[in-house]
Amino acid sequence: EIVLTQSPATLSLSPGERATLSCRASQSVSTYLAWYQQKPGQAPRLLIYDASKRATGIPARFSGSGSGTDFTLTINSLEPEDFAVYYCQQRSHWPPLTFGGGTKVEIK
Amino acid sequence: EVQLVESGGGLIQPGGSLRLSCAASGFDVSTSYMSWVRQAPGKGLEWVSVIYSSGSMYYADSVKGRFTISRDNSKNTLYLQMNILSAEDTAVYYCARDPGTGYYDDSWGQGTLVTVSS
Repeated sequence: EIVLTQSPATLSLSPGERATLSCRASQSVSTYLAWYQQKPGQAPRLLIYDASKRATGIPARFSGSGSGTDFTLTINSLEPEDFAVYYCQQRSHWPPLTFGGGTKVEIK
Repeated sequence: EVQLVESGGGLIQPGGSLRLSCAASGFDVSTSYMSWVRQAPGKGLEWVSVIYSSGSMYYADSVKGRFTISRDNSKNTLYLQMNILSAEDTAVYYCARDPGTGYYDDSWGQGTLVTVSS
């Protein structure tokens, strides 16, 4: 089973700042990695797939990069609605599908 | 418009059984990869099970032998039969759709809460 480790656990930032979230895999997943956003009381929402492709309707301030074992989700110029929890998910060796533990982006 | 609506959650005693449903609209469950993902209170996301368009089914080790995933193509509905429930199964259960790529879940239901407690 591939283990995904996200860091930091919590990121405290102000609106307008840039957020950089990390996801590290225990073995290579090529570019088969997705990112999801989850707000309190809501279902997860797909942001990024194939490591760097934005899902339909996702603003350009969200970008993903990386391959192999190290991946990054960048949110340029945080908007108030971006404060949420972000999860990475590997789609390389599944089942089982695995998620990272999540990074909470909170308002500083 | 793609839509997923879960139902069937509730309060159940340890050792009991429950069947969750996920009614789909805007697409065919038979041509998608349909998953169940759960989230314990205050915790992260945990994949539970998947049924491929081929009909193949897979489970997380934590539920293998107790949970069964299925679908009814005529009703365009996904199910999760959960048996021998324990407190560790308490969670919000989401159904999610992968349109058949194997690479992402692009649609999720709103979730249904299962609470296992005496």
